[in-house]
Amino acid sequence: AQKVTQAQTEISVVEKEDVTLDCVYETRDTTYYLFWYKQPPSGELVFLIRRNSFDEQNEISGRYSWNFQKSTSSFNFTITASQVVDSAVYFCALSEGAYNFNKFYFGSGTKLNVKP
Amino acid sequence: DTAVSQTPKYLVTQMGNDKSIKCEQNLGHDTMYWYKQDSKKFLKIMFSYNNKELIINETVPNRFSPKSPDKAHLNLHINSLELGDSAVYFCASSQDTPIPSEAFFGQGTRLTVV
Repeated sequence: AQKVTQAQTEISVVEKEDVTLDCVYETRDTTYYLFWYKQPPSGELVFLIRRNSFDEQNEISGRYSWNFQKSTSSFNFTITASQVVDSAVYFCALSEGAYNFNKFYFGSGTKLNVKP
Repeated sequence: DTAVSQTPKYLVTQMGNDKSIKCEQNLGHDTMYWYKQDSKKFLKIMFSYNNKELIINETVPNRFSPKSPDKAHLNLHINSLELGDSAVYFCASSQDTPIPSEAFFGQGTRLTVV
């Protein structure tokens, strides 16, 4: 079974629109970490955020915000007032277990196209 | 200063050849990884090493042999390359103690087997 599901394969928006990228995860562990990465067209993987399972507080960083809901096993990512430079593939990832964080499970990615 | 560096960035080779990809991290992390990203962008873990010891091997063909001479290096050697090995290979590192960190990725190596 897929541990991290990103149901949206591709999203297209027009610049300045807000967009939310969904991420649903599956784990039986009580201790786990969730991540978002950005992969721009240049190909590198850029770390955006890490949350641990004990901290459900939402986080905002500039135009980016993250909504962590344990009740629905979701860790959604919202970009406010999107810009062309936000065009990239975004990956959600899960690392689980109190003593075994050595395995990052990645979702299949959501490709975001921001048009001018 | 590049935190995780892998070389080469591009690699084009013929079927049947043997090739290596090198990876080095200067972050002092204790865990290193190899991931494969296929044409559909799916990222799948191949190997994980913690302090030079193999801890994860995700049913990767034994044509792939990782080697970790020290905890700052994790090289990937591939024997008898096949067309299906064409992909982007990412090296990454993370720190697992005292608190697990995010994975830092290299720039990727685009391998094309012809």
